Amino acid sequence: KNQVEQSPQSLIILEGKNCTLQCNYTVSPFSNLRWYKQDTGRGPVSLTIMTFSENTKSNGRYTATLDADTKQSSLHITASQLSDSASYICVVAGGSQGNLIFGKGTKLSVKP
Amino acid sequence: DAGITQSPRHKVTETGTPVTLRCHQTENHRYMYWYRQDPGHGLRLIHYSYGVKDTDKGEVSDGYSVSRSKTEDFLLTLESATSSQTSVYFCAISEGGHREYEAFFGQGTRLTVV
Repeated sequence: KNQVEQSPQSLIILEGKNCTLQCNYTVSPFSNLRWYKQDTGRGPVSLTIMTFSENTKSNGRYTATLDADTKQSSLHITASQLSDSASYICVVAGGSQGNLIFGKGTKLSVKP
Repeated sequence: DAGITQSPRHKVTETGTPVTLRCHQTENHRYMYWYRQDPGHGLRLIHYSYGVKDTDKGEVSDGYSVSRSKTEDFLLTLESATSSQTSVYFCAISEGGHREYEAFFGQGTRLTVV
């Protein structure tokens, strides 16, 4: 079964600290992996998209990594800000129909 | 929000009544999607459209129908709303299929069926 698992479910960090969110997937065939940020009450917004040949991609203070061999990805947030408080969703495009398979998200709270 | 407008943003309706949610885009993207988001689940695809009058079912299509008579509008209809359809509904658009193209999401419609 095609699945995307994220950990932790929730995370609280202090402003200015770094954090890393994890994503494991079992999706075949695999097309690409995406990280989205979803603020409360809003739709998801894309942070990065990586194909199997890319193992790192950055977007400002956000850096995503992909290990296609172990089917794992991580999202590293550097020097967190209060505005980083949101849910971060790992999404894999793939499967027989090429649809998006969504993880349940990690809820990040950044405290002052 | 990439030129996507969902309406209404909030709706409360009674069990058994029909409900239509609208998604309007100004990007001229070919593909449009309806998802639902529930606690404890990732977003799940309800229906999608790959062109005017061309639609197909997603993972959780039972109880929902869609129509796309113009490129810019994609309607989601609950023929007879049930409490299990209480959810937040997101419309998404992409230039091409999800496999290759980035998806852009609307702000969501919160639907409560009482």
